[in-house]
Amino acid sequence: DTAVSQTPKYLVTQMGNDKSIKCEQNLGHDTMYWYKQDSKKFLKIMFSYNNKELIINETVPNRFSPKSPDKAHLNLHINSLELGDSAVYFCASSPWDSYEQYFGPGTRLTVT
Amino acid sequence: AQTVTQSQPEMSVQEAETVTLSCTYDTSESDYYLFWYKQPPSRQMILVIRQEAYKQQNATENRFSVNFQKAAKSFSLKISDSQLGDAAMYFCAYRSNMNTGFQKLVFGTGTRLLVSP
Repeated sequence: DTAVSQTPKYLVTQMGNDKSIKCEQNLGHDTMYWYKQDSKKFLKIMFSYNNKELIINETVPNRFSPKSPDKAHLNLHINSLELGDSAVYFCASSPWDSYEQYFGPGTRLTVT
Repeated sequence: AQTVTQSQPEMSVQEAETVTLSCTYDTSESDYYLFWYKQPPSRQMILVIRQEAYKQQNATENRFSVNFQKAAKSFSLKISDSQLGDAAMYFCAYRSNMNTGFQKLVFGTGTRLLVSP
């Protein structure tokens, strides 16, 4: 069984479009994250939610809006896509008060 | 803010040999975790090993071990008896243990490990 899943795994779209990436975890974890890995492989936190509440919002453009409908889901919606948004986006989850984060398989977003 | 530095963009090793990947970090905190993650071409992030800052003993997981020097803020990964399947990007990461429950991982820039037969 997949612990942290993301859909889609690949997403190719044009500049100016709006797109969403979905993340689901079946581990019963309280906390979920979005990370961005750029073309140079650098990984950086974008958002963190705990029990549907936004905890961390690193300096991310407001075109990015995370939404957590319930504890098991954290979706990422991106408006007005730009070329610089091309990256791999990773969802992760962790139990409350635990060091370990479990990563999803990543979504490769390509903006043309 | 915490930072993590990996000064080796790429390292090469032959099968069965030993290789050490370097990592340094900067923090003013005393309670934290350090990790090494492996990212193979499949891009899945795999936790290789972790170290709690309060533990003096270096962590070991089978062929993987760390050299944790808290005063020097150094955290290197040693891979013994290297295998072809070890070829991947390796990321060093830091996680504060203050206000637990939702602490982000701060990653280094990664080291690409090449393994030759």
